[in-house]
Amino acid sequence: EADIYQTPRYLVIGTGKKITLECSQTMGHDKMYWYQQDPGMELHLIHYSYGVNSTEKGDLSSESTVSRIRTEHFPLTLESARPSHTSQYLCASSDYPDELFFGEGSRLTVL
Amino acid sequence: GQQVMQIPQYQHVQEGEDFTTYCNSSTTLSNIQWYKQRPGGHPVFLIQLVKSGEVKKQKRLTFQFGEAKKNSSLHITATQTTDVGTYFCAGLETSGSRLTFGEGTQLTVNP
Repeated sequence: EADIYQTPRYLVIGTGKKITLECSQTMGHDKMYWYQQDPGMELHLIHYSYGVNSTEKGDLSSESTVSRIRTEHFPLTLESARPSHTSQYLCASSDYPDELFFGEGSRLTVL
Repeated sequence: GQQVMQIPQYQHVQEGEDFTTYCNSSTTLSNIQWYKQRPGGHPVFLIQLVKSGEVKKQKRLTFQFGEAKKNSSLHITATQTTDVGTYFCAGLETSGSRLTFGEGTQLTVNP
């Protein structure tokens, strides 16, 4: 069983609120990723990190930001949420070039 | 940039029928991985193929990697209702350092 955790699992908030989605892994993986996914649809990479103090934007433009201060922790922040941000956000980690371990996801609804 | 295309997008089968999804990359791959995502769940790693022409089996699932290392397929023999979900391929470019996911194939199985 993968040791990668995301909180909250579900979040309903109003427009304009600031939110942080938490992601932690205990496997010591250097590489971590954030994907955005609408139900049953393709995975869009929005941010990734190859180690502490290293973050890059992914293929899909996103208004979110990330930080990587500790190896095990890779939070994603939205400064001002909008209805267009409603989606599922999946965190993953890997020990390159091996498999990705995904968290269970955070389902965000912005009203 | 690298593109990974997956077909079909949707597949509906009767229980007991076979199912195949195909993955094609615009560039030569170092390896290809397959993931399964159950409805409401997160992607879970199934297998990784590395060698040209490689074929691997997991019970009723057969995975193939093309000779040119640009395409792959997943074949399920005699589908069961437990096979329902979205199957994603993900390719790692020979010159790249991160996976590119295909759009996924949503499989539904009618009992």
